[in-house]
Amino acid sequence: GAVVSQHPSWVICKSGTSVKIECRSLDFQATTMFWYRQFPKQSLMLMATSNEGSKATYEQGVEKDKFLINHASLTLSTLTVTSAHPEDSSFYICSARVPQGDGYTFGSGTRLTVV
Amino acid sequence: QKEVEQNSGPLSVPEGAIASLNCTYSDRVSQSFFWYRQYSGKSPELIMSIYSNGDKEDGRFTAQLNKASQYVSLLIRDSQPSDSATYLCAVKGPSTTAGAGSYQLTFGKGTKLSVIP
Repeated sequence: GAVVSQHPSWVICKSGTSVKIECRSLDFQATTMFWYRQFPKQSLMLMATSNEGSKATYEQGVEKDKFLINHASLTLSTLTVTSAHPEDSSFYICSARVPQGDGYTFGSGTRLTVV
Repeated sequence: QKEVEQNSGPLSVPEGAIASLNCTYSDRVSQSFFWYRQYSGKSPELIMSIYSNGDKEDGRFTAQLNKASQYVSLLIRDSQPSDSATYLCAVKGPSTTAGAGSYQLTFGKGTKLSVIP
């Protein structure tokens, strides 16, 4: 149980275009979704926290106009990387708190390459 | 700023040996502590969680927590080549941005473990 499905698994896009990443909670309702970014050989860095029906809160240094987060329903949160640049190339992962207990479940991640 | 520190490794152990992974954290109000395993190119998967001082055992894995020393460790007994991965220590505490009552995980950089057959 407590599965988060993330799509796409990988995407290559041209510089200046936008890319949307989706995370769906399949068997539970995720009122809060966390979005992380991981550069090679680095740890997961929290980018933002999205709450269903309200605006996301962004960590310091993360551009809210560049990384658009929408959490329109209890089962779907999306991250749109707008006007992507090569330095945005990274591994993006979503996460939600599991409904029972205190743990967190992660999506499978999206490898974004901007060329 | 909250910090979670881990030795980046690599840590190499022979098959069948005990692997010991360590983690320290800076925020004393941290409530919950997690160990995740991450294979290259994959997302993290939960290995263990621990909330109170002492040891917690689950199969070949034992997590140890010492809140006074702000220290968490993970022991892997009878290490197998399939255990070769990066192990991430994560600490749950109050969110720095999402407001009162919100919590977030802060991750260490991870320790790369190699189990040699």
